[in-house]
Amino acid sequence: GNSVTQMEGPVTLSEEAFLTINCTYTATGYPSLFWYVQYPGEGLQLLLKATKADDKGSNKGFEATYRKETTSFHLEKGSVQVSDSAVYFCALIAYSGAGSYQLTFGKGTKLSVIP
Amino acid sequence: SQTIHQWPATLVQPVGSPLSLECTVEGTSNPNLYWYRQAAGRGLQLLFYSVGIGQISSEVPQNLSASRPQDRQFILSSKKLLLSDSGFYLCAWSPISSGNTIYFGEGSWLTVV
Repeated sequence: GNSVTQMEGPVTLSEEAFLTINCTYTATGYPSLFWYVQYPGEGLQLLLKATKADDKGSNKGFEATYRKETTSFHLEKGSVQVSDSAVYFCALIAYSGAGSYQLTFGKGTKLSVIP
Repeated sequence: SQTIHQWPATLVQPVGSPLSLECTVEGTSNPNLYWYRQAAGRGLQLLFYSVGIGQISSEVPQNLSASRPQDRQFILSSKKLLLSDSGFYLCAWSPISSGNTIYFGEGSWLTVV
C-alpha cells in the first residue's frame, strides 16, 4: 500500500530561521503530492501541491519539489515567522480504481516558531 | 466556486449516546467524499470514502458508520459512542474529474464523556 513518512517533531525554530521538513513516500503509479497545514484550533488547509515529477509547489513562501528519483517532497521556507507555527502534514493521493482517489497522510510535524 | 461545510463544529456527548455529523458540498456534482479522524496526538486516519450515492467503503473496522443519501451529502453516525471515539473529524471532497486534490471542511471536535 501507499505510505508517507515525515520527520517527527516537534520542531522549534527562531523567527527568520530556515525551515526544512522532510517527507518521503512509497506509492504505486504516479501519485500527486501535497502539504497541508493545520493552525491551532483550525481544520486542515491545503498549503501547496505538485502533480508530477520535478514540479515545484509554492505558497506563502513555502516550497516543495516533487523528486521521483528519491521519492521525496521536502517542505522548505527561507525565513519562518511566528505565524507559521502549526502542524504540517505531507500527503499523497493516488488513483485506487473505480473512480476513487485515496489520500494518504504522514503523521504530521508540529512547528513552533519563537520570536 | 465549490464549498464544503460540516457541522456541528463542537460536540460533547455521553458514552452510549448516538452521533450524527453532517457534511455537504456545494458547487460541484458527483464528488468523491471522505471522512477522516484525527485523534489527539496522532495523524489523520481515513474512516470512509464514497464515490457515489449509497456507495460507501470503510477503511477500518469501528463503531462508526457513514451514509450518502444525496449526491453532495455525507453523514457520519454512531448508534452508541465510546470514549475512544473522541477526536477531530474532518469531511473532505475531491473532484471526480481529476481527483488529484482533496479539500477539507472546517472539522468537528467530538468529546465523548
